[in-house]
Amino acid sequence: DTGVSQNPRHKITKRGQNVTFRCDPISEHNRLYWYRQTLGQGPEFLTYFQNEAQLEKSRLLSDRFSAERPKGSFSTLEIQRTEQGDSAMYLCASSLLGRGQEAFFGQGTRLTVV
Amino acid sequence: DAKTTQPTSMDCAEGRAANLPCNHSTISGNEYVYWYRQIHSQGPQYIIHGLKNNETNEMASLIITEDRKSSTLILPHATLRDTAVYYCIAISNTGKLIFGQGTTLQVKP
Repeated sequence: DTGVSQNPRHKITKRGQNVTFRCDPISEHNRLYWYRQTLGQGPEFLTYFQNEAQLEKSRLLSDRFSAERPKGSFSTLEIQRTEQGDSAMYLCASSLLGRGQEAFFGQGTRLTVV
Repeated sequence: DAKTTQPTSMDCAEGRAANLPCNHSTISGNEYVYWYRQIHSQGPQYIIHGLKNNETNEMASLIITEDRKSSTLILPHATLRDTAVYYCIAISNTGKLIFGQGTTLQVKP
């Protein structure tokens, strides 16, 4: 499978715990995006990388959230001290650099904070 | 990035063409129009995109008006598996997709 891969697919955690999600983009895709989606809403942009550089962060990304893409390949999204409001689907997408390039999404990681 | 406006929901009979409209009256010259769809509990799926000209691929056709202020996604022969939320998005050089509420398309037998 050469698509965008996200792990784990599901995560249940207790409030206050830290969680980390991984995204493996399509090979050679320079750009990598993270989104969050709650029930009944469209995906909300969180942050994006161009190679290893994090170029933009949404105001939705509080101090408890951090994302990295250390070698310009896979990326991790960490949430510290999880809250029930963090329960959502976390989606990753990747694309090539340049105008008119389509982004491809993974299947997401569904987080449930209990 | 330009704001897009779509109807909240639409129905379509199986086997008929589904025509999904989108308004993007504030679109700028370098912004592409992209369409994605999302089937329940799955990640969004890329359908098609265009800048000025009409586009067609194996999934759909995209008709963009000459003034680029609106577009229509056409699924030529809708099937039950096309039931999904369809998102129309106008994006510029960053490639950042800003999703709205989309159109929930219900294909009925």
